[in-house]
Amino acid sequence: EVQLVESGEGLVQPGGSLRLSCAASGFRFRDYGMHWIRQAPGKGLEYASAISGNGGSTYYVESVRGRFTISRDNSKNTLFLQMGSLRTEDTGVYYCVRDVRGGFDFWGRGAVVTVSS
Amino acid sequence: DIQMTQSPSTLSASIGDTVTITCRASQNINRWLAWYQQKPGKVPKLLINEASILESGVPSRFSGSGSGTEFTLTISSLQPDDFGTYYCHQFSKYGTFGQGTKVEFK
Repeated sequence: EVQLVESGEGLVQPGGSLRLSCAASGFRFRDYGMHWIRQAPGKGLEYASAISGNGGSTYYVESVRGRFTISRDNSKNTLFLQMGSLRTEDTGVYYCVRDVRGGFDFWGRGAVVTVSS
Repeated sequence: DIQMTQSPSTLSASIGDTVTITCRASQNINRWLAWYQQKPGKVPKLLINEASILESGVPSRFSGSGSGTEFTLTISSLQPDDFGTYYCHQFSKYGTFGQGTKVEFK
């Protein structure tokens, strides 16, 4: 059974940092591109970042570029999102998702990130 | 960046209705489009991939069509379980979501 379990959620002050992790199981992790998708309270889905299966290619939406870093450890089946210089508008639920032929077939339950003073 | 414009933003319908949601891309994305359903407090669920391929387990009343810049999601004979918010997602170049369409009970 495919499982994606996020951790590292929390409350952080503006300007602070947070590291999210996503533990994957039930599939050959290295074969899949992975993404972080976020959703602000009461809002729609927004792309945050993506990484290829071997980690050699990454993408960031403009609003997080230079502040967030996506990475993965294929030996530990884990995806990461290092978030820095956090802003109040970064508040939301962050989903770890698996990419299958472009669509996202499995989603984690989400990690709640709150940026507030 | 590719922009995705979804319409309508809200749709009121009754059980048994056929509803259609439209998604327009700001440039040609071929058939690199997916549709998701999200219910309150739940994670999104992939319904359709590559514009028209129904995911395993998704009822056949859901269908997708289109290519290039114009896409539609059709739900035939709306059921109580179909209420929620629907999103389109282009993955031709990186990724972008539409703003969502809330399907509510009339």
